[in-house]
Amino acid sequence: EDQVTQSPEALRLQEGESSSLNCSYTVSGLRGLFWYRQDPGKGPEFLFTLYSAGEEKEKERLKATLTKKESFLHITAPKPEDSATYLCAVRGNTGKLIFGQGTTLQVKP
Amino acid sequence: EPEVTQTPSHQVTQMGQEVILRCVPISNHLYFYWYRQILGQKVEFLVSFYNNEISEKSEIFDDQFSVERPDGSNFTLKIRSTKLEDSAMYFCASINLAGVAGELFFGEGSRLTVL
Repeated sequence: EDQVTQSPEALRLQEGESSSLNCSYTVSGLRGLFWYRQDPGKGPEFLFTLYSAGEEKEKERLKATLTKKESFLHITAPKPEDSATYLCAVRGNTGKLIFGQGTTLQVKP
Repeated sequence: EPEVTQTPSHQVTQMGQEVILRCVPISNHLYFYWYRQILGQKVEFLVSFYNNEISEKSEIFDDQFSVERPDGSNFTLKIRSTKLEDSAMYFCASINLAGVAGELFFGEGSRLTVL
């Protein structure tokens, strides 16, 4: 059964304090690992797709990496506007996305 | 930038009533999805729809649920007889490839409250 586990559940950082979010997964035939950002009461907003181990993608202060068993979302020098819930999801052979429970990030000024 | 639009943004209904949630996917997209998120829980897959038929559905998607693409633009989720536990955010999503690769684009969601 395809499964995604994210850690930590919640993370509090001071502005400028870099950290990483973890996403561990098991999937039959990985067809992509996805990172989304979700603000309260809103829909998931696409950030990155990673397809193979060793792949990395960057966008502003965010960098996503992928291994055969997990993905990391690195946040460098975060700002308060980076506060949100970050969702990891995988697509396997069935085509649907399976989401983790998310990491809620709070960045304090 | 193209986006997935959903209506209504919030609907309050009485238990046992029928509800229809509407979505307009991005115009050149081929695969359509409904997901739901109960407050404080994971985003859960409900159903995928391609070429005017359901391609996959989850255990949650029982006989009380149905989906339809009544015209070339709208994609609807109907709940025939709502239950208290149907209270959740319902997200519509679409993708421009036949489910093989690429990212899903999500709408802003419809919040359903069942009293």
